[in-house]
Amino acid sequence: DVKVTQSSRYLVKRTGEKVFLECVQDMDHENMFWYRQDPGLGLRLIYFSYDVKMKEKGDIPEGYSVSREKKERFSLILESASTNQTSMYLCASSSPGRGTEAFFGQGTRLTVV
Amino acid sequence: AQTVTQSQPEMSVQEAETVTLSCTYDTSENNYYLFWYKQPPSRQMILVIRQEAYKQQNATENRFSVNFQKAAKSFSLKISDSQLGDTAMYFCAFDDYGGATNKLIFGTGTLLAVQP
Repeated sequence: DVKVTQSSRYLVKRTGEKVFLECVQDMDHENMFWYRQDPGLGLRLIYFSYDVKMKEKGDIPEGYSVSREKKERFSLILESASTNQTSMYLCASSSPGRGTEAFFGQGTRLTVV
Repeated sequence: AQTVTQSQPEMSVQEAETVTLSCTYDTSENNYYLFWYKQPPSRQMILVIRQEAYKQQNATENRFSVNFQKAAKSFSLKISDSQLGDTAMYFCAFDDYGGATNKLIFGTGTLLAVQP
């Protein structure tokens, strides 16, 4: 059974903390993504990576950074968490090429207080 | 830039009935893929159905089918014989292929409630 695993289902952090969200996939996918999900806004792409050490900004990269040191792992970093980063974060992975299916993790609901 | 619009934030349907979720999109591309993803209360997002723009025939997967109107840039999802397990958030998505990789552009979602 294919899997994308996010390190935490729920997370509460304080304003100003550095936050790491981890994502691991076991499908040997080249592509990995971090999305943010907010009510009424759908899923918005924060960053994505198409290879180890490669990363590209998505639509809302401000306040975030990412790291991909190994093919199976893609980390999202909030350098200094703020309350407006309270949200659901979804990690996904896929094979390269048109029309490939994306596989998602179970999501991390982050609350910044 | 590609955009995806879902104009129905919430819908409700009785068990065993049929419901149609709407999606429109905008692109200047000629060949592309469109998807419907389902996110149940468990939050695990899964693929429901996929459509390639070059294919004339509408995609079907068991009780799920699409009505793909390329000229109108419309991509609606029909769920037949609705079941309680169909209760979920449904997202329409466009496959934005940029050469090096492809990424999904999502609509804002439709929350479907199936009533017993």
